[in-house]
Order: sequence, then structure tokens, then C-alpha cells
Amino acid sequence: DTGVSQNPRHKITKRGQNVTFRCDPISEHNRLYWYRQTLGQGPEFLTYFQNEAQLEKSRLLSDRFSAERPKGSFSTLEIQRTEQGDSAMYLCASSLAGGGRQETQYFGPGTRLLVL
Amino acid sequence: AQSVTQPDIHITVSEGASLELRCNYSYGATPYLFWYVQSPGQGLQLLLKYFSGDTLVQGIKGFEAEFKRSQSSFNLRKPSVHWSDAAEYFCAVRTGGFKTIFGAGTRLFVKA
Repeated sequence: DTGVSQNPRHKITKRGQNVTFRCDPISEHNRLYWYRQTLGQGPEFLTYFQNEAQLEKSRLLSDRFSAERPKGSFSTLEIQRTEQGDSAMYLCASSLAGGGRQETQYFGPGTRLLVL
Repeated sequence: AQSVTQPDIHITVSEGASLELRCNYSYGATPYLFWYVQSPGQGLQLLLKYFSGDTLVQGIKGFEAEFKRSQSSFNLRKPSVHWSDAAEYFCAVRTGGFKTIFGAGTRLFVKA
């Protein structure tokens, strides 16, 4: 299966620690998205990349959050100085450019973060 | 501002009964609309999408949805629910860029 993969699937950390998540998109997909999903809510857009360029960032992405996609393949999302409010599921999705708004985004299983 | 409202937090239906999940959106231009399903511990799977044309769209797993511009709605339906359909369902609208705005979701419970 060559779907979107995310690692780790679960992460427990103490407040103030840094965490990094990884997303591997479907191999030929050049667009990659990060979303955050808190309990009882739908996913909220955080940021997206086209190849290695980060083209849009949500206001939800505070200075403590940084995302990279250095070679246009996998992406990492780092949270510095974690807070309890960062506890959520972090979802990654990818799509193949060319369909405009009609592109289908394929989602990974997510990384569930718990900040104690 | 763009938004998606799913009025029902949870719905319980009997296996074999019909299902309708409601979705209302707010978006000034032509909406690109989606329904996703999420099973516990899983990512989101696309059920169906509407971009233009026939307002009744068919999806996977026997689901369909109808776009009604006058009501700003995109309700999801299934004629006969199976126990395996128990999951959380999200309606979403794609904005002028590539950002997708999701509703809060409706959790479906299926009783035997």
C-alpha cells in the first residue's frame, strides 16, 4: 500500500518539550497539507506545500510551530515548547497538482499528541 | 466567512434503515463540497465530492449526496445502513485556494 504514512502514530510528551512529526505523502504527489483535529471537532487547516515551497500558513500556526518539506518529498512538523493546548491529532494529506480545487486530498492516519 | 455546519452531533439509526446527514455551508463563490468518513484511529476517507453538473452525486459504499444551492446544503444519504457504517462523518468545503474547511462532524451509531 502506498498511501500517506505518518510517524509516530502516538506521542506523549511533557509540557515545554519539543516534538517532531513526520509525514510521507503518496510518492507522486507534489502537494502536502497539515491539519490539526481536536476532540469533537473537524480538522483545521494549518499549512500546505507545493513541492518544497510552503505556500500558505494558517493563523493557527503560531511561532512555536514550524513545518518543512526540504526535498519536496516527506515533511516534518515541529512544535517547540509544547503546551497542553497542543494536544490533538495532527493529520497530513497529499494531492497531485493539476486539478485545481478539484484535487482529491488523501489523508494519513494521523499522529495523536498528548501533552501532559 | 467560509464555514460548514453539521447540525447533528450524533445520530443513531437501526441497521437497514435509511440515513440522512445534514450539512450547510457558507461560501460566496461556487462551492467545492466533500464528504469524508473517519473510523476510530483512522485518517479521513473521501466518500464523494461535488464540483459542478448533476446535483446528485454518487460515492463509495452506497452513499450519495445532493447539492441544493438555494438551501446552501449538501446532505449525505444512504438507503440502507450497515453496522460497518458506524463512524464519524465530515462535510467540507474547499475555498478559492487549496484550504479545506471541515464541519465539526456527525457521529453515526448503528443499532442492531
